[in-house]
Amino acid sequence: NAGVTQTPKFRILKIGQSMTLQCTQDMNHNYMYWYRQDPGMGLKLIYYSVGAGITDKGEVPNGYNVSRSTTEDFPLRLELAAPSQTSVYFCASSPGTSNLYEQYFGPGTRLTVT
Amino acid sequence: KNQVEQSPQSLIILEGKNCTLQCNYTVSPFSNLRWYKQDTGRGPVSLTIMTFSENTKSNGRYTATLDADTKQSSLHITASQLSDSASYICVVPRGTGANNLFFGTGTRLTVIP
Repeated sequence: NAGVTQTPKFRILKIGQSMTLQCTQDMNHNYMYWYRQDPGMGLKLIYYSVGAGITDKGEVPNGYNVSRSTTEDFPLRLELAAPSQTSVYFCASSPGTSNLYEQYFGPGTRLTVT
Repeated sequence: KNQVEQSPQSLIILEGKNCTLQCNYTVSPFSNLRWYKQDTGRGPVSLTIMTFSENTKSNGRYTATLDADTKQSSLHITASQLSDSASYICVVPRGTGANNLFFGTGTRLTVIP
């Protein structure tokens, strides 16, 4: 099992450009999450999904969109990139919605917006 | 104000030595606390989870303690190895769902030979 994979690993965007961060998991987990990690800060939840076709906002959803057409994939879309979106983005999945379940994280995408 | 505070921010120790990392939380209601290890350039990986009724739990050279009365947890690393160099993150959820986790800012541990 590859677990949670993310692409790309690194990306530099110009202000106003758009891009999609890809996330795929092969553990058949229903629950998936997108976080951002800023220097010196704890991870913040952007969006999450409890199953194909169902998504919901987290703590910091502004400037992002998600979709969940399959169990495996949970892409994160950035529209009109801004310098404030410079961060490391982590995708995660878990087998259940209870916080007793471990979340499995991908390796992250480091995004710089200039 | 962060609901999960970790100390120290960073720590450098010699290989073979022990160390203890601290986590204080104010999250309520409390159900559990998890410690993650995050290697540079990688995503966090769970080390251990402490539920309300547990005081101590070990995972190899890692031992976590929890005092739910004082809302404190510690992670003790014994006989440190170079591979222990990483950030250690304390995570406390609010309520029962997994979409409301409070992440600490982590302690950056560097183990030197």
